[in-house]
Formats: sequence, structure tokens, C-alpha cells
Amino acid sequence: QVQLQESGPGLVKPSQTLSLTCTVSGGSISSGSYYWSWIRQPAGKGLEWIGRIYTSGSTNYNPSLKSRVTISVDTSKNQFSLKLSSVTAADTAVYYCARCRLQQFDPWGQGTLVTVSS
Amino acid sequence: AIQMTQSPSSLSASVGDRVTITCRASQGIRNDLGWYQQKPGKAPKLLIYAASSLQSGVPSRFSGSGSGTDFTLTISSLQPEDFATYYCLQDYNYPGFGGGTKVEIK
Repeated sequence: QVQLQESGPGLVKPSQTLSLTCTVSGGSISSGSYYWSWIRQPAGKGLEWIGRIYTSGSTNYNPSLKSRVTISVDTSKNQFSLKLSSVTAADTAVYYCARCRLQQFDPWGQGTLVTVSS
Repeated sequence: AIQMTQSPSSLSASVGDRVTITCRASQGIRNDLGWYQQKPGKAPKLLIYAASSLQSGVPSRFSGSGSGTDFTLTISSLQPEDFATYYCLQDYNYPGFGGGTKVEIK
């Protein structure tokens, strides 16, 4: 079955750009009527949707993060990526990727902790 | 932006109890709502989609109802493995999560 795995630096300096990649295995990122999302969760807090991409390349972003977020897809590598610019300590969180169809987010990656600190 | 107000934020219950969690949307979202269970250190798990459809493999003690602005997740008989945090998620225009409900052991 389809599995997702996040990867990227676990530590990012303030004001720099956070970059993460989600690798999809067990199926093609281009198959089916799915889109692919990034979600984050600060320690001890709730879930926040960051944005999504369709394999056509069309994107939607959370308005609260829109000015700093870019999501892209590389169908040849079966991956999609997140870039979040001008990070601060408030961006410290576990970052998840997920396959989505409407409100069905399934499966999810295991999550990766990104800490923003100098 | 559509706001999802989830209540209660936490509850204490015993094994065998019937548990009800609610989510209210700030505007109508048809039935574009899902429910998720999250255990510590783990990714959320989809339980219910389209407000009332049970995800494959999820026990039938979980059920969802509602449409428009008011939605409910019910666990008919709480089991030890159900102690977790539950979130609703709407995807009417773009996705947004409720604040979560932590279900603890009484």
C-alpha cells in the first residue's frame, strides 16, 4: 500500500528557509484523484494544515502562511516538497505529509520534527 | 476562513462508556468533514469521512453524524485503545482542523 516518508533538516536557523520532502512509495503520486498536503503540529498543540498540491501543479495554501509557503511536486521522483521561508521559533513543529481526497487524509507520513533555533 | 469549534477540549471517561465529541463549523460545510484519532508520538489516523462514512478497518463502535454546521463523533463503548486525542477536519474550501478533544481515563 501507499506509504509516505518525510525527510529534511531537523534544525533550521531563524530567518532561513525550511525545506522538506515527502517521498511516496507503493504507488504513483500521479495516480488517482488525490492531492498531497503538508500539515504541522507544534509540541503539545493541535494540527495546522499548511497547503496542498495536485499533480497538475495547482496549489492551495493556508492564508495564514501563504506569503511564506511554496509546495512543489516532482512526479519523476514520486515526491513533493515544502519550502517555508523566514522561519521563526513559532515554526518549530512536527511536520507531516499526507495523501488527500476531500477530507480524507490517508495515509500520513510518520512526521519529522523541525526545530528553529540559532 | 471557516472556523471549527470542537468540544469538549478534554474529557474523562471509563472503559465501556459512550463518548460524544462535537464539532461546529462557522458556516455550512455540507458533509465535508472527517474525524481523526491521534495517539502520542504518532500521526493522526482517519476514522470517519464524509461526516458519517466509516473508514475501512475502523471498528464499528466509532460513528459520525451531522451535516451543515453541526457534527458529532460517537464512540459507543470506549475501549482501552481509544484513549487518544480526536480532531475534526473540514475541507469545504480549504482544509481546517478543530482544536482537538483529549479523551483521558477516568
